[in-house]
Amino acid sequence: GENVEQHPSTLSVQEGDSAVIKCTYSDSASNYFPWYKQELGKRPQLIIDIRSNVGEKKDQRIAVTLNKTAKHFSLHITETQPEDSAVYFCAASLNTGNQFYFGTGTSLTVIP
Amino acid sequence: DGGITQSPKYLFRKEGQNVTLSCEQNLNHDAMYWYRQDPGQGLRLIYYSQIVNDFQKGDIAEGYSVSREKKESFPLTVTSAQKNPTAFYLCASSPGALNYGYTFGSGTRLTVV
Repeated sequence: GENVEQHPSTLSVQEGDSAVIKCTYSDSASNYFPWYKQELGKRPQLIIDIRSNVGEKKDQRIAVTLNKTAKHFSLHITETQPEDSAVYFCAASLNTGNQFYFGTGTSLTVIP
Repeated sequence: DGGITQSPKYLFRKEGQNVTLSCEQNLNHDAMYWYRQDPGQGLRLIYYSQIVNDFQKGDIAEGYSVSREKKESFPLTVTSAQKNPTAFYLCASSPGALNYGYTFGSGTRLTVV
């Protein structure tokens, strides 16, 4: 089965700096990679996703990059704000179904 | 509230008891999922269902059971066979087509007392 690894587990940045979270996956058949943000005590929310036919996708301050050859993808948050503080999960979906495999999460703290 | 509702928000269980967590969605989604969330372990799949009257075991199905009698509902029963049930449980749904993001419920926090 698929195995998704996520690093780092915790990340602290100063407000205004950039944050990068990296994930690797094991199954080359995976072709959909969503990122979820979970604020304390709340449900995970989809913030951005990327498909395997695209190398990069941006949405305002958030971007995701995908390297299919190396089987890794990354979340980039620029100009971080305190409200970006949350746990972020990456996931990978196999081509054969809609089951997602999640990373272990990154707790991001943005220091004002 | 987002189209998928979990209840209750907090649940306390005595050892040896079975408890059932409710998950209802009005998104007309075909697929529904149950995940367990523990600190430092991310989200682990318990059971999933792609269509009514059918469901499949996930990675940690032991000690849990589910049913999918209606498209809208996917209840999870935590049985006494689950040795460490204290956790945060998340239900999710998706349209069922390939490669669509999940919509998550707000979760149920289960504590064994």
